[in-house]
Amino acid sequence: NAGVTQTPKFQVLKTGQSMTLQCAQDMNHNSMYWYRQDPGMGLRLIYYSASEGTTDKGEVPNGYNVSRLNKREFSLRLESAAPSQTSVYFCASKFRQGQGYGYTFGSGTRLTVV
Amino acid sequence: GNSVTQMEGPVTLSEEAFLTINCTYTATGYPSLFWYVQYPGEGLQLLLKATKADDKGSNKGFEATYRKETTSFHLEKGSVQVSDSAVYFCALSDGNSGNTPLVFGKGTRLSVIA
Repeated sequence: NAGVTQTPKFQVLKTGQSMTLQCAQDMNHNSMYWYRQDPGMGLRLIYYSASEGTTDKGEVPNGYNVSRLNKREFSLRLESAAPSQTSVYFCASKFRQGQGYGYTFGSGTRLTVV
Repeated sequence: GNSVTQMEGPVTLSEEAFLTINCTYTATGYPSLFWYVQYPGEGLQLLLKATKADDKGSNKGFEATYRKETTSFHLEKGSVQVSDSAVYFCALSDGNSGNTPLVFGKGTRLSVIA
């Protein structure tokens, strides 16, 4: 039971290159999220998915696309990377816990765009 | 919309000093409140949470009380250690909806010196 798994852990891209960040959870959670973390900005939501086949924009979606083809996987794609997308990316999933909700985070992907 | 405001850092304390990190929130419903901790080079770990007014979350000597009247969830610890050096994030989740994401404050960096 690995929780939320993100790959890769580190990546360096050149401006204009594309890549997909992978996220998978084995806990049968419906909701999944992509955040980016930048110094002094906290974590900001990029996209989220309430269930398989549905996605919604978060606070900072520009320059990204997502795909939720099945319940387990939620991928984040950068079609044409820009230096402003240098960040640490976290994937998370949400589950019902008592009267509220709990969240499980992946260990992050550190992306540098040069 | 929902939002979280936490005190800006960095906060530097001597070992065994008392810690308070202020957090206030704005929410339309009855949110669950969280404190997450991020140690250097690592992902986010849940430190504690509270799901309703007057609940107190506690873990590893840290405490926070859900105060609906002041819309606050301040983090406290009576005696900090060097190992508590990390970035602390206050966050909220709308407890009435399964789809709304976790909303984070900008984080407070704590450095504890021996």
